[in-house]
Amino acid sequence: ETGVTQSPTHLIKTRGQQVTLRCSSQSGHNTVSWYQQALGQGPQFIFQYYREEENGRGNFPPRFSGLQFPNYSSELNVNALELDDSALYLCASSSGGGDQPQHFGDGTRLSIL
Amino acid sequence: RKEVEQDPGPFNVPEGATVAFNCTYSNSASQSFFWYRQDCRKEPKLLMSVYSSGNEDGRFTAQLNRASQYISLLIRDSKLSDSATYLCVVKSTYKYIFGTGTRLKVLA
Repeated sequence: ETGVTQSPTHLIKTRGQQVTLRCSSQSGHNTVSWYQQALGQGPQFIFQYYREEENGRGNFPPRFSGLQFPNYSSELNVNALELDDSALYLCASSSGGGDQPQHFGDGTRLSIL
Repeated sequence: RKEVEQDPGPFNVPEGATVAFNCTYSNSASQSFFWYRQDCRKEPKLLMSVYSSGNEDGRFTAQLNRASQYISLLIRDSKLSDSATYLCVVKSTYKYIFGTGTRLKVLA
């Protein structure tokens, strides 16, 4: 069974740039969620995709957007990067229904200069 | 009030000690509950799901009290390798809400 994989591992950008982060869900999982984790904080929910549709969103501005593809992999796009966007971005997948827990990828560490 | 609240710690305990963490949540309609473990600069890893009837996995016991809206995690016979941050997670409809985590340091 293949776990959740994310790329890239690390990324450095400057303010105002745009970034795309990628996630492949665990095999058999059709739901992907994205989280932002700042240092010393718990992960904050950005949004969730189920069968290629966004079906939930946290308290993040529209410059955070995403996609899910037919194979259930996903992208997180962030436009107009700000210094506060520096964080660990985590992708998690689950089988979508009921009480299923999420399984996380290793994350992408994004630094904004 | 935060949706999920945890004592950030750190809890410093000697090897072999028993330690307990609590977590409270505000949404009474929450459906599912989990404990995750996160090592420094790594991704969260599922420790266990939490059920009203209580559940045990080796040295770890989790309990859910829906009436009081809290979740607990008990670790018995602490090992050095248990040192980590423990995250309480509450699922409400589609959303998984994380607490800020409780840091545990097990000392030799």
